[in-house]
Amino acid sequence: GENVEQHPSTLSVQEGDSAVIKCTYSDSASNYFPWYKQELGKGPQLIIDIRSNVGEKKDQRIAVTLNKTAKHFSLHITETQPEDSAVYFCAASISGANNLFFGTGTRLTVIP
Amino acid sequence: NAGVTQTPKFQVLKTGQSMTLQCAQDMNHEYMSWYRQDPGMGLRLIHYSVGAGITDQGEVPNGYNVSRSTTEDFPLRLLSAAPSQTSVYFCASSYSISSGASYGYTFGSGTRLTVV
Repeated sequence: GENVEQHPSTLSVQEGDSAVIKCTYSDSASNYFPWYKQELGKGPQLIIDIRSNVGEKKDQRIAVTLNKTAKHFSLHITETQPEDSAVYFCAASISGANNLFFGTGTRLTVIP
Repeated sequence: NAGVTQTPKFQVLKTGQSMTLQCAQDMNHEYMSWYRQDPGMGLRLIHYSVGAGITDQGEVPNGYNVSRSTTEDFPLRLLSAAPSQTSVYFCASSYSISSGASYGYTFGSGTRLTVV
């Protein structure tokens, strides 16, 4: 199956700074890469996703980049705010399958 | 509100007891799955279903059973609870990849299970 690695495990930034979380995947057949945000006591919530035919996707302060050759993808959050504090998970899905394989998560803390 | 509903939110079991975690969705999603979340290990797939009457094993299926008699419901059964099954369990649903629709997952709010 797919193996997704995620770094760093914890990340602290000052409010207004940018945050970057990186993931690598092992299976070249993976073609769908979503990112989820999990707030304390809640289930993960999809915040952005990218497919393998696209190199970058933006949604307001959030962007995701994908490098298929190197098999890695990254989440970029600009102008961070305290409400961005949460655990973020990357995931990958192999072409033709619904199953998602998740990274181990990054706990982001935005310091006011 | 539309979404994925999980019950109960909290549960304490004794070793050897059995129980069923309930999951229901009202979005007419074909695909449903169960994950467990443990510290430092992310979310690991237990079982999944691509439609009513069809189930399959994920990464960590041992000790768990599932069934899918309707599109809406996907219960997870613990046959004989063990302390290693102490975890937070999440149910998720999505459209089937074959439908062509976006298949981002919708997660429930989780069940925190402690086995003593």
